[in-house]
Amino acid sequence: EDQVTQSPEALRLQEGESSSLNCSYTVSGLRGLFWYRQDPGKGPEFLFTLYSAGEEKEKERLKATLTKKESFLHITAPKPEDSATYLCAVRGTGTASKLTFGTGTRLQVTL
Amino acid sequence: NAGVTQTPKFRILKIGQSMTLQCAQDMNHNYMYWYRQDPGMGLKLIYYSVGAGITDKGEVPNGYNVSRSTTEDFPLRLELAAPSQTSVYFCASRPSSGSDFGELFFGEGSRLTVL
Repeated sequence: EDQVTQSPEALRLQEGESSSLNCSYTVSGLRGLFWYRQDPGKGPEFLFTLYSAGEEKEKERLKATLTKKESFLHITAPKPEDSATYLCAVRGTGTASKLTFGTGTRLQVTL
Repeated sequence: NAGVTQTPKFRILKIGQSMTLQCAQDMNHNYMYWYRQDPGMGLKLIYYSVGAGITDKGEVPNGYNVSRSTTEDFPLRLELAAPSQTSVYFCASRPSSGSDFGELFFGEGSRLTVL
């Protein structure tokens, strides 16, 4: 069974204080690892897809990286508007249309 | 485009009542999904559909039913509501080609409380 574990559960940063969120996974044949952002009271919003170890994707202050066991979402010089819950999900070879989601990291960026 | 639209946004049900959560998308996506999100838990797949007339169970289908008579609509039916169905429900969609498999477009959610 595919599993996704995200850490930390919650993270509080000051504006400009860079950090990383972790997503550890076990999956039978990775077909993709996905990062989403979720604002309070809203649905998740897609950020990135990573397919193979060594791959990196960037968007503004966010950079996602992937190894064979985990993915990191690096946040450089965050701003208050980056505050949200960040979700990680994986798709394995044996899971057809199903994504397995982690429980998320709740990020708060303060002035 | 409105994207994925869910109604209602909030609903309180009594135990044993039934209701339908509505989901509509205007992006001509073939794939549609229903997830539930509980505090401290990851999103769990309830049902999904790969096109009109085709549906399949996800991880947690018990107590729910779906139908897909059109490409646009994918309603979720709750029969005999139980407190365990208190949750936030999300509908999502994606096209069948030309996009990342995991790039789902989510609605804003329907918050259901069963008392």
